[in-house]
Amino acid sequence: GDSVTQMEGPVTLSEEAFLTINCTYTATGYPSLFWYVQYPGEGLQLLLKATKADDKGSNKGFEATYRKETTSFHLEKGSVQVSDSAVYFCALSDRNNDMRFGAGTRLTVKP
Amino acid sequence: ETGVTQSPTHLIKTRGQQVTLRCSSQSGHNTVSWYQQALGQGPQFIFQYYREEENGRGNFPPRFSGLQFPNYSSELNVNALELDDSALYLCAVRQNTGELFFGEGSRLTVL
Repeated sequence: GDSVTQMEGPVTLSEEAFLTINCTYTATGYPSLFWYVQYPGEGLQLLLKATKADDKGSNKGFEATYRKETTSFHLEKGSVQVSDSAVYFCALSDRNNDMRFGAGTRLTVKP
Repeated sequence: ETGVTQSPTHLIKTRGQQVTLRCSSQSGHNTVSWYQQALGQGPQFIFQYYREEENGRGNFPPRFSGLQFPNYSSELNVNALELDDSALYLCAVRQNTGELFFGEGSRLTVL
């Protein structure tokens, strides 16, 4: 079945460092791809999305590009802040509209 | 503003008991999904309701059941609780654009 594999954490960076969290997917069709973020003690919040190949999703300085040729949707940010510390989940929504999530990557940004 | 509200926020049960978790949305979305998020894991799809009918189910046993009401609020019921049912249970409503908006979850501990 459709699935998502994302880079295992935890990831620890200094403030203003460059962030990449890798995500690859397996799908039989053409899913929509998402990044969600979960701050401590909270539910999941949509960070960004892309619905077709070569689309770039962006929000709050984060970006991810839907790469069909490499089945990837890597999350990047040029300069992280302490407030970006959270768990990040890559997800896909398949033709059945089920949302499949990766295991999550915990990011800690130190001042 | 989706305003997904879940209750209770925390609860403790013992093995063999039954639990009911509730979810409501300010905007009255007609598609609601439930997810189980074990500690340190990504959310796992339990089932989805559309207009009061279950229209998708993940790999969960029948003791996980649900309801959706005419006002689009929803319940998740779990019978014969097991220790491994301890998790954060997330309710989500689906937007017309495909993304999910999540509540903050109900944390269930089974002793």
